[in-house]
Amino acid sequence: GQQLNQSPQSMFIQEGEDVSMNCTSSSIFNTWLWYKQDPGEGPVLLIALYKAGELTSNGRLTAQFGITRKDSFLNISASIPSDVGIYFCAEQGETSGSRLTFGEGTQLTVNP
Amino acid sequence: GAGVSQSPRYKVAKRGQDVALRCDPISGHVSLFWYQQALGQGPEFLTYFQNEAQLDKSGLPSDRFFAERPEGSVSTLKIQRTQQEDSAVYLCASSLQTLGSPLHFGNGTRLTVT
Repeated sequence: GQQLNQSPQSMFIQEGEDVSMNCTSSSIFNTWLWYKQDPGEGPVLLIALYKAGELTSNGRLTAQFGITRKDSFLNISASIPSDVGIYFCAEQGETSGSRLTFGEGTQLTVNP
Repeated sequence: GAGVSQSPRYKVAKRGQDVALRCDPISGHVSLFWYQQALGQGPEFLTYFQNEAQLDKSGLPSDRFFAERPEGSVSTLKIQRTQQEDSAVYLCASSLQTLGSPLHFGNGTRLTVT
């Protein structure tokens, strides 16, 4: 099956720094999604991307759907302590109710 | 509440016991999904319901896992004869339509098998 490779696995940054993480796929995707998961909670959708080359922002978050349709990145600018959590990329399929396939996640730690 | 509700939040089971995990989706949501999330990994698909019909159960790891949604609303994931490798967080998600709608996740049930 398709595989999502997410990097880095973890990041330790200082408050105020910018951070970038990315995902690559072994196959072409039609949708890239970015989720954040806080401890003890379910994943929450941050940004959805539907077209190759699309660049979308949500506050301090910016994500892009790669031109090759096999990659995506998420940038967080001016990080704050509440950005701490696990960030997942995901692909939304076109069968089975649009089931999601998730990457392995990037654990972000922000030091005040 | 307005979100997806799961119960119990935590479940400890002795190896060999049966467990039942409940999911209350957002009212009116047609699609319901179960995911399994092992420690340090992303959620992995288990099964999908469209209303009361289980249309995809390809992710269920063994025949010890069984899910139902008899009235197209509440769903139950049952694990029989639990094993230690079943220890994980089980997430339920629902979406309004059958295709293209965003998934709304519950906070999961953390199952520990001792």
